[in-house]
Amino acid sequence: GAGVSQSPSNKVTEKGKDVELRCDPISGHTALYWYRQSLGQGLEFLIYFQGNSAPDKSGLPSDRFSAERTGGSVSTLTIQRTQQEDSAVYLCASSPPDRVAQYFGPGTRLLVL
Amino acid sequence: AQKVTQAQTEISVVEKEDVTLDCVYETRDTTYYLFWYKQPPSGELVFLIRRNSFDEQNEISGRYSWNFQKSTSSFNFTITASQVVDSAVYFCALSGATDSWGKLQFGAGTQVVVTP
Repeated sequence: GAGVSQSPSNKVTEKGKDVELRCDPISGHTALYWYRQSLGQGLEFLIYFQGNSAPDKSGLPSDRFSAERTGGSVSTLTIQRTQQEDSAVYLCASSPPDRVAQYFGPGTRLLVL
Repeated sequence: AQKVTQAQTEISVVEKEDVTLDCVYETRDTTYYLFWYKQPPSGELVFLIRRNSFDEQNEISGRYSWNFQKSTSSFNFTITASQVVDSAVYFCALSGATDSWGKLQFGAGTQVVVTP
């Protein structure tokens, strides 16, 4: 079946602009996660959504970062007033109801000039 | 706090050699989960295995095997008879069993280079 999809695959933006990154989880998966992968910081948890519960936002690095999940499916990660240190690969994952594992998408490579 | 240490930054082997990747973890949780993921050059993280903290049985899947030892807080991964397609970065990860389940704590990764 189809895996997690993310768009765009690459995004180049100028410092100070806002960006939106999209994630489509695997059909039937109930939980959705965002991570960030950068050379300096490795793989970092950002936020996760589980069903109708309030999201766990404990990994968001600043209030410039926000995420929402509409209809329990698609999610959008928004970064406002981007900074150069936001440059990274943003990875989305989803997991089935039994939460055996998190299955990752291909990521969005963000470059802030 | 949870922590995962992968001390090996890079391992280079010749095809058909065995390679063992070390993973040491720290957690205060009594119930937790350990994972291994593979990240090939294409970039997508591929799930390999999950192990529960209460199940110390070793596992073998084809050329892959995992050794979980709670006494030493280690969850090591061995690739037997390595192949060029095994070249990738391998990540060990840890999560709690309750409210921290969704937060995978990753190690820094080990780059495996397999040459023909």
